[in-house]
Amino acid sequence: NAGVTQTPKFQVLKTGQSMTLQCAQDMNHEYMSWYRQDPGMGLRLIHYSVGAGITDQGEVPNGYNVSRSTTEDFPLRLLSAAPSQTSVYFCASSPQIEDTQYFGPGTRLTVL
Amino acid sequence: AQSVTQLDSQVPVFEEAPVELRCNYSSSVSVYLFWYVQYPNQGLQLLLKYLSGSTLVKGINGFEAEFNKSQTSFHLRKPSVHISDTAEYFCAAYAGGTSYGKLTFGQGTILTVHP
Repeated sequence: NAGVTQTPKFQVLKTGQSMTLQCAQDMNHEYMSWYRQDPGMGLRLIHYSVGAGITDQGEVPNGYNVSRSTTEDFPLRLLSAAPSQTSVYFCASSPQIEDTQYFGPGTRLTVL
Repeated sequence: AQSVTQLDSQVPVFEEAPVELRCNYSSSVSVYLFWYVQYPNQGLQLLLKYLSGSTLVKGINGFEAEFNKSQTSFHLRKPSVHISDTAEYFCAAYAGGTSYGKLTFGQGTILTVHP
């Protein structure tokens, strides 16, 4: 049981490049979410999903896309990277939003 | 929209002293409250949660928190801290309704335990 896995652990992009951050969970959780963590700002919700085929925007969705074709996977796409997207990104999953969130180890992204 | 405010960005304390980390949330008819801990270079893990019932909630590692509806607070306490408690702590709230699906985190409090 691997829990929540995220790849890559580190990534450096140039402005304008696109990429996908991968997130997978093996706990059959319906709820999955993406957060970005910036110093002094806590975690801010980017997008979330309450089940396969269902996604919605969080607090800071601009510049990011998500899809949920399977229960296990919830990739986050950066369409055209900007320096303001330099951050640490965390994926989380839970049976329901009211339950304990299980976090992945994070992806540290730098956009030059 | 739900908001969560952690009143202290940093809390320094000596080993074996008591500590309180403060958290206030915006009022809601019903709210679920959480405290998470993040050790350096790791993801977050749950310390404790309040869903309903007793207002005093006990969590892992000797931490506890008290839900105070009238003051819209959910402060985290530990009677005697250890060096290993040095970490960043996050309060989070979920209210449902117009915030359906959205768990809101506070800004975080860095707890530093000195020997």
